[in-house]
Amino acid sequence: QSVLTQPPSVSGAPGQRVTISCTGSSSNIGAGYDVHWYQQLPGTAPKLLIYGNSNRPSGVPDRFSGSKSGTSASLAISGLQAEDEADYYCQSYDSSLSGSVFGGGTKLTVL
Amino acid sequence: EVQLVESGGGLVQPGGSLRLSCAASGFTFSSYSMNWVRQAPGKGLEWVSYISSSSSTIYYADSVKGRFTISRDNAKNSLYLQMNSLRAEDTAVYYCARDAAVVMDAFDIWGQGTMVTVSS
Repeated sequence: QSVLTQPPSVSGAPGQRVTISCTGSSSNIGAGYDVHWYQQLPGTAPKLLIYGNSNRPSGVPDRFSGSKSGTSASLAISGLQAEDEADYYCQSYDSSLSGSVFGGGTKLTVL
Repeated sequence: EVQLVESGGGLVQPGGSLRLSCAASGFTFSSYSMNWVRQAPGKGLEWVSYISSSSSTIYYADSVKGRFTISRDNAKNSLYLQMNSLRAEDTAVYYCARDAAVVMDAFDIWGQGTMVTVSS
């Protein structure tokens, strides 16, 4: 059971917008620690998608956006494309564990 | 090109040991904190260990504490993970990942991973 909770799966049609939630607690997201998001395409290593709650690394399309509020965070993907089909993970720091924690991952299916 | 390349994975019996290596290139390795992250087959990501740029600060996940040891050699641009007393539940792809300079605890560069299988 992961410290950060994500829905196991989400889906959407091409062109639509989907959101993926990430729920934590007072020892991680709620304590003010940043949330980061990763995209993992099948058979590949994870790729940093969003850092510091809402910032995109160079090269990440602006279709991807992140937000954080209270003990939760969200990743939004607009204008869905077939190439967005992947697993998405949120990550933060947990003070009670003294280390990074990941969500369980969300599989995005583009219908 | 900024790159991390892991090696050292393989098949090992329960109770055995293995040493993973991660070779860094294309950036000033000695300036960055590093991490090991693992992913069991069909499962999610699990952070394993962290080491600061100078090796002065080290952290482990509870699941590996006392069994795994992280280290680095900045002169060789290399990161290591010594894994002892291996268990079946340690079976996973092990990734080395660089801490992003711009924000704490985000991992901006990942290796391709090396598979560790613990089985008799």
